[in-house]
Amino acid sequence: SYLLTQPPSVSVAPRKTATITCAGNNIGGKSVHWYQQQPGQAPMLVIYYNNDRPSGIPERFSGSNSGNTATLTISRVEAGDEADYYCQVWDSATDCVVFGGGTKLTVL
Amino acid sequence: QVQLQESGPGLVKPSQTLSLTCTVSGDSISTSGYYWSWIRQHPEKGLEWIGLFYFSGSTYYNPSLKSRVTISLDTSENQFSLKLNSVTAADTAVYYCARGLAPPAFDYWGPGTLVTVSS
Repeated sequence: SYLLTQPPSVSVAPRKTATITCAGNNIGGKSVHWYQQQPGQAPMLVIYYNNDRPSGIPERFSGSNSGNTATLTISRVEAGDEADYYCQVWDSATDCVVFGGGTKLTVL
Repeated sequence: QVQLQESGPGLVKPSQTLSLTCTVSGDSISTSGYYWSWIRQHPEKGLEWIGLFYFSGSTYYNPSLKSRVTISLDTSENQFSLKLNSVTAADTAVYYCARGLAPPAFDYWGPGTLVTVSS
């Protein structure tokens, strides 16, 4: 089955840039989606189709995808960005949705 | 505004069937191009996809759960449901229903419902 690997945790100072990676075999050939999950809440889509933002998501959130790594970038990080972040793809080889293990973003 | 809401028992006995319903408002589940999915999250763990129903009538399931799962739609009630049979304590989790764009990117989620499997 297809595997997505994320770092368990990332720390960043306020107003700096956070980078969260999602590694997968030839992930550049897939559409990657990213979710933010605050404690006790449902996940929220923040990036879809690699680098599109749903309505209401700040421009500070952006995505890229190439080769074996997809990346979620959060610019000018705010305290409210502290959350768990998950990447997700559709694996057409197995007709399955696959989630990464999640990354806890800590704002120092 | 699309809204999803999960409902069902919060406590299920081992070996029984877990049954949940997701009621959709603000959109028709018959609308073409959407996926209707169930996703769960074990306590303090990551997201686990359970399965989905595509508007065309196709269903797709997580291979690790496929033998125990059924997802179906009730277009008259604008709901879709999850049945997971032969549950054990390992099925204790928060269960989410979600709407997916194609290819599945889940843009609307229900708030989630905690289901505990215990005697």
